[in-house]
Amino acid sequence: AQSVAQPEDQVNVAEGNPLTVKCTYSVSGNPYLFWYVQYPNRGLQFLLKYITGDNLVKGSYGFEAEFNKSQTSFHLKKPSALVSDSALYFCAVRDMDDYKLSFGAGTTVTVRA
Amino acid sequence: DAGVIQSPRHEVTEMGQEVTLRCKPISGHDYLFWYRQTMMRGLELLIYFNNNVPIDDSGMPEDRFSAKMPNASFSTLKIQPSEPRDSAVYFCASSPGTSGGADTQYFGPGTRLTVL
Repeated sequence: AQSVAQPEDQVNVAEGNPLTVKCTYSVSGNPYLFWYVQYPNRGLQFLLKYITGDNLVKGSYGFEAEFNKSQTSFHLKKPSALVSDSALYFCAVRDMDDYKLSFGAGTTVTVRA
Repeated sequence: DAGVIQSPRHEVTEMGQEVTLRCKPISGHDYLFWYRQTMMRGLELLIYFNNNVPIDDSGMPEDRFSAKMPNASFSTLKIQPSEPRDSAVYFCASSPGTSGGADTQYFGPGTRLTVL
C-alpha cells in the first residue's frame, strides 16, 4: 500500500521569505513523487516530480523539491515566496508501474504581503 | 492543446435526479481518471481507464455511480439517483501512458456538483 502524509494543514509566510511545504511518503518499492498546486475554483496543476536521479528536482514557478530516501520525505521549497503562491498544495506518490496516485490531504499556503 | 475539458463546470440538482458529468481527455492520452474532492475525504480516485477499458473501479462508492468511456476522446461519470452526500467537486485527469509509474496526470478544471 502507498500513502502520503502532509503534516501541516496550513503554512503562513511573508512575501520574500523562504517557503517549505512538508511531505512524507510510504511505498513498498521505489517511489515516484509528485507535487500539484490548486488555486481556488481551479483544477490541480502539475508542479514537479521525482522519478530517479538527482535528489533535487526543479519545477514550475521557481519551485523545487528535495527527495530524501532515508527520511522518506519529499519537501517542496521556494527560496522567495510570492503572494501569488497562496494556494492549496498536494503531494502525491505512486509505486513503480502502478498508475494509481495517492494524494496527501493538502497544505494551504498563505503568503502575506 | 486545450487540456482536459470537463462539462458542466457547475451542476445543481435535486436529490433523486440523474447526473451526468463529461470529460474529454488530452488527445493521445491513453489513461483517464475520475476523482472526487471533498473537505472531509480529500481527493479520492473513483475509477480509471486504459485505452477505454475500465481497469480499477474499486473507488466507486456505490452502485449508484457508473462510468463509461465509449471512445478515446470522451468519458462520462453518472450518478443515479443522486443524493446530497454526493455533493463534491469531480475531477477528470488524463495521462499519456508512456512512462509507466512516472506518467504525469493532467487535471481538468472540475465539475462542482451540488445535490439539494
